[in-house]
Amino acid sequence: AQKVTQAQTEISVVEKEDVTLDCVYETRDTTYYLFWYKQPPSGELVFLIRRNSFDEQNEISGRYSWNFQKSTSSFNFTITASQVVDSAVYFCALSEASGGSEKLVFGKGTKLTVNP
Amino acid sequence: GAVVSQHPSWVICKSGTSVKIECRSLDFQATTMFWYRQFPKQSLMLMATSNEGSKATYEQGVEKDKFLINHASLTLSTLTVTSAHPEDSSFYICSARDFFGPGTRLTVL
Repeated sequence: AQKVTQAQTEISVVEKEDVTLDCVYETRDTTYYLFWYKQPPSGELVFLIRRNSFDEQNEISGRYSWNFQKSTSSFNFTITASQVVDSAVYFCALSEASGGSEKLVFGKGTKLTVNP
Repeated sequence: GAVVSQHPSWVICKSGTSVKIECRSLDFQATTMFWYRQFPKQSLMLMATSNEGSKATYEQGVEKDKFLINHASLTLSTLTVTSAHPEDSSFYICSARDFFGPGTRLTVL
């Protein structure tokens, strides 16, 4: 069975600090996708990234970066120079790739609070 | 802009009534949509897979007679919570491809 573990329940940082959110996954599939979503207090889920299992290249998008390590089954997310607007719950998720299914298994989420 | 919409964004109803939630894909067709439920301060749990033109597939423990899903067209899926009870109060979110709708907050009195 697929499983996503986000061990950090809550993280609190001061603005401008860097912060890394951890995500460890389990799957028996050789082909799969990994995701990160942001859920601000309004509740909507904001798509941040999708990475397939064959692409281990790290990705950077502005202040966001992702480190995919297949050897440790981890897909960690780093926010550089955090801002108050980054405060939200962040979810890591995993899906099978077979048949184009986008059915997701979510981690429990990490609540990030960035204090001014 | 949003690529998946949901309506209504929130609803309050009396116990025993039925509530319909719509999920629409904007600017693209979706043969498959997904319905999730999120209780306060918890993660999202998949309820069912909505399949255009065929029956929905429900996850273990989800009552198909209580949560009726209809995928009538390539851009619309509906979730009807029948005979709603207070324990059904939750945040319901649909998705298509990698995108999620804004969610519907259901409160059953």
